[in-house]
Amino acid sequence: DTVVTQTPLSLSVAAGQPASISCKSSQSLLHTDGKTYLYWYLQRPGQSPQLLIYEVSSRFSGVPDRFSGSGSGTDFTLKISRVEAEDVGVFFCMQGLYLPYTFGQGTKLEIK
Amino acid sequence: DVRLVESGGGLVQPGRSLRLSCTTSGFTFRNYAMAWVRQAPGKGLEWVGFIRSTKYGETTGYAASVNGRFTISRDDSKSIAYLQMNSLKNEDTGVYYCTRGGYGTYWGQGTLLIVSS
Repeated sequence: DTVVTQTPLSLSVAAGQPASISCKSSQSLLHTDGKTYLYWYLQRPGQSPQLLIYEVSSRFSGVPDRFSGSGSGTDFTLKISRVEAEDVGVFFCMQGLYLPYTFGQGTKLEIK
Repeated sequence: DVRLVESGGGLVQPGRSLRLSCTTSGFTFRNYAMAWVRQAPGKGLEWVGFIRSTKYGETTGYAASVNGRFTISRDDSKSIAYLQMNSLKNEDTGVYYCTRGGYGTYWGQGTLLIVSS
């Protein structure tokens, strides 16, 4: 299976400050169709996960523009320009190119 | 609005079977793949498997941990996706989410499965 590794596993950030999460895949996620199949999700406490970013850098409907995704090949980053209280939860990346699809371990974000 | 509602979870003994349902509304079900993702208590997310749309032959894919034991199916006339789980193990315990699309554009609220004697 494709291994997806997130760092850090936990993050404590003051409100209004930036945050960054890394996601590395054991294989390139670039498909021959030109798309790169890397996704980011946020699971708030007690809630279901929700899609934030698809195909590396496209924000899903309704996702604030303080969230941005970047990267290519095997290395990807989720950035939050200014952390807000509602961002508390666990962030997961997932590769959607190789079956079975696989998630990173998750990064828990708390407000300092 | 897109809505996905899982049902069918509960307490089951190891070795037994159970079927989960994902009842959907608010979108044209037959046009989308559907997937199942699970989360063991206090743990991360594990992709379980998916079923492509009828247009793509309703082909399926599964995680190694469930391959041969779990089967995903769909009923486009009812807009429902199913997860048939056989030979259940203690380690199958967790919350099971269904999602629209293989990549989880929308998620249900989840249904809890506990496998225990």
